[in-house]
Amino acid sequence: SQQGEEDPQALSIQEGENATMNCSYKTSINNLQWYRQNSGRGLVHLILIRSNEREKHSGRLRVTLDTSKKSSSLLITASRAADTASYFCATDAGGAQKLVFGQGTRLTINP
Amino acid sequence: DGGITQSPKYLFRKEGQNVTLSCEQNLNHDAMYWYRQDPGQGLRLIYYSQIVNDFQKGDIAEGYSVSREKKESFPLTVTSAQKNPTAFYLCAGGTGSSPLHFGNGTRLTVT
Repeated sequence: SQQGEEDPQALSIQEGENATMNCSYKTSINNLQWYRQNSGRGLVHLILIRSNEREKHSGRLRVTLDTSKKSSSLLITASRAADTASYFCATDAGGAQKLVFGQGTRLTINP
Repeated sequence: DGGITQSPKYLFRKEGQNVTLSCEQNLNHDAMYWYRQDPGQGLRLIYYSQIVNDFQKGDIAEGYSVSREKKESFPLTVTSAQKNPTAFYLCAGGTGSSPLHFGNGTRLTVT
């Protein structure tokens, strides 16, 4: 079953702007992950945030987690055309070693 | 190179035929997974295996079968009982709570 809901479903911005995507989930988690998928390809892991962490950075990526609201956000700063992809959140709410993925946000960066 | 290898990239079959999708890994992952992705949607878990000779159903196992005779291989058979088999199929591997590594997918079209 799909646990995550991502918002927005699609986002189109100009190169250089920041992009923010949100993910909400329903049950308790140990960690939340964000993945990226280029069109027609497999998913690539971006960042993992544990339930006892509130914020994590990796390069131009910033992830926040609010367990009280059961929500997470992914911020991509100074976007580039190469950031055009779909972005998915995934939680371990399915049990050990069973990730449950959201519907994804389709991000388009316009040059 | 290490990774998850799925083959073929594109597969076409007539309705009523069984078809097997290949997934091989050389990352020494204990667990392997099969996900289905429909256009504009997230991933849904079909089957997963945590050890050799053992596997469990995911959320949408009906019409699919798998085997895990060796650690490196986790083939998926789409049977004629699957009512709507046309989709993008993704194989992944992982160990413990580590992020998943994905293959580049097989796009199956059944007519």
